[in-house]
Amino acid sequence: DGGITQSPKYLFRKEGQNVTLSCEQNLNHDAMYWYRQDPGQGLRLIYYSQIVNDFQKGDIAEGYSVSREKKESFPLTVTSAQKNPTAFYLCASSIESGQAYEQYFGPGTRLTVT
Amino acid sequence: GNSVTQMEGPVTLSEEAFLTINCTYTATGYPSLFWYVQYPGEGLQLLLKATKADDKGSNKGFEATYRKETTSFHLEKGSVQVSDSAVYFCARRRNYGGATNKLIFGTGTLLAVQP
Repeated sequence: DGGITQSPKYLFRKEGQNVTLSCEQNLNHDAMYWYRQDPGQGLRLIYYSQIVNDFQKGDIAEGYSVSREKKESFPLTVTSAQKNPTAFYLCASSIESGQAYEQYFGPGTRLTVT
Repeated sequence: GNSVTQMEGPVTLSEEAFLTINCTYTATGYPSLFWYVQYPGEGLQLLLKATKADDKGSNKGFEATYRKETTSFHLEKGSVQVSDSAVYFCARRRNYGGATNKLIFGTGTLLAVQP
């Protein structure tokens, strides 16, 4: 079955540590996205990538970094510079272009930093 | 500011009641519109979409019509079930035209259906 996997589902880290969240898709989609979800704020775009070896900052990129070395994979690193990293992180993918195409989402990773 | 506005929740209904969740948007042109649903602890799933004015999206008894006159895309269902309890997100394609499928999301509306 095609889809998007995110691991782990729950992640705990101490303040000051970097942490990398995994996102893998086998939908053959060109574009991939990372969102952060906080209660009452909907989804906010962190980074997106339209093609391998290229990515762009979204609305809240500060304190985060990404890479896109393979079409299937788009890992997100939450660095110690992110001031409030505790959140639910969602990865998504889509066909690169076209009005009618929706984004497909993974199950999410809940990160707790103490 | 956010260019997709949803009614605030929670919306609490009894089983078999009629559901409306309001969504309005601001945009240049006529971007595609979407409703996503998020069940507890999960990612988002596409519920329905409409790609041009006057289109009606429908799925699993839910419907929404793309109304350019009122810049709205309200979600409706004639008879809700307990299993419909979830958070519902309205979204629009960020750019009308262009190469990317970035989306702008509303803040979500929690629906709680009681037996």
